[in-house]
Amino acid sequence: AQTVTQSQPEMSVQEAETVTLSCTYDTSENNYYLFWYKQPPSRQMILVIRQEAYKQQNATENRFSVNFQKAAKSFSLKISDSQLGDTAMYFCAFMRWRDDKIIFGKGTRLHILP
Amino acid sequence: DSGVTQTPKHLITATGQRVTLRCSPRSGDLSVYWYQQSLDQGLQFLIQYYNGEERAKGNILERFSAQQFPDLHSELNLSSLELGDSALYFCASSSGPHTDTQYFGPGTRLTVL
Repeated sequence: AQTVTQSQPEMSVQEAETVTLSCTYDTSENNYYLFWYKQPPSRQMILVIRQEAYKQQNATENRFSVNFQKAAKSFSLKISDSQLGDTAMYFCAFMRWRDDKIIFGKGTRLHILP
Repeated sequence: DSGVTQTPKHLITATGQRVTLRCSPRSGDLSVYWYQQSLDQGLQFLIQYYNGEERAKGNILERFSAQQFPDLHSELNLSSLELGDSALYFCASSSGPHTDTQYFGPGTRLTVL
């Protein structure tokens, strides 16, 4: 069975700083997708970034980038120039290629301080 | 706005009751997924429908059922409700099976008293 582990339940950083959220996962699959979802206080689930396992290049979306280490089964999210609007719960998630269900980690609550 | 709509936004009911949650996928999406977010279990996949047919099942209780209609909207039926069923229920949609991106609706918050 696949599992996703986020070891940081909560983090706080000052506005404009860079922060990295950790995620590890366990799978025997070779083809899969990894995601970071953001859940702000509104509770909406927003896709931040996704990574295909077969791609060696790390995905980036504006201020958000990932460090994907397939052999180590690690998938961290880096937020550069953090903003107050980045305050949210962040979920790391996994999906097998031939499957459609997303498996979520427990989440990291991120506070951006003014 | 993801384009996925869910109604109602909030639902308060009593133990033993039955409720129906509704979801309309993004225009053109054929797959609908239901997830439950609770304090103790986190975010869990419940069930998926693709073009009207059940495609995958997760940790869905026997008291829960779902269906997808010809117009592609979906309903999640929860019966014999217990206090522990209180949670945020999300619907998500994607264009088809084996599609990497699922777009989530705003959720329905269910409170069972």
